[in-house]
Amino acid sequence: QKEVEQDPGPLSVPEGAIVSLNCTYSNSAFQYFMWYRQYSRKGPELLMYTYSSGNKEDGRFTAQVDKSSKYISLFIRDSQPSDSATYLCAILTGGGNKLTFGTGTQLKVEL
Amino acid sequence: DTEVTQTPKHLVMGMTNKKSLKCEQHMGHRAMYWYKQKAKKPPELMFVYSYEKLSINESVPSRFSPECPNSSLLNLHLHALQPEDSALYLCATSLAGVNTDTQYFGPGTRLTVL
Repeated sequence: QKEVEQDPGPLSVPEGAIVSLNCTYSNSAFQYFMWYRQYSRKGPELLMYTYSSGNKEDGRFTAQVDKSSKYISLFIRDSQPSDSATYLCAILTGGGNKLTFGTGTQLKVEL
Repeated sequence: DTEVTQTPKHLVMGMTNKKSLKCEQHMGHRAMYWYKQKAKKPPELMFVYSYEKLSINESVPSRFSPECPNSSLLNLHLHALQPEDSALYLCATSLAGVNTDTQYFGPGTRLTVL
């Protein structure tokens, strides 16, 4: 079983839609969860960082962790064409400095 | 300064060439990382340096040789690469390489091996 699993998409939504991106993970000991956004041919950009369970909000973005289900989510409200990118969930594993990524979900927000 | 810079942006090399990739940061971070990313795949960890010492080598072939000459610089020396090594090579840094760190990525070097 992979440590982190993510639906690769692609996901296409109209402008203004609420987007839900999800990952599952295998090890209940994991505690540090991140979401990165990667535009085509660029490096990943950190969007959200959460520790343990609960929600964290930053502008139009909300990260949610459900440790009982081993499920992490990223919600994007009022999606914009500029949100079109690949979104990667990532978990700190291996003692703290190893980042394990999901496969990434390609999102396209259409006008 | 919250930026990680990488040079060159693009590199084309033959299988017999020797080249180097460079990563630089001035955030005072003491952990630095090399990742390899193939098209439509997530980044895969190659090496981790913590306080200028190699702490993780993810069984990377010896044709890739990392070097951390000081706390701001990270190099990746390339020799006798194969076409399948063509990828985006990403450098990342974090404060100290512990659980509470977040990793910040550079823009990457796109490498093509002919």
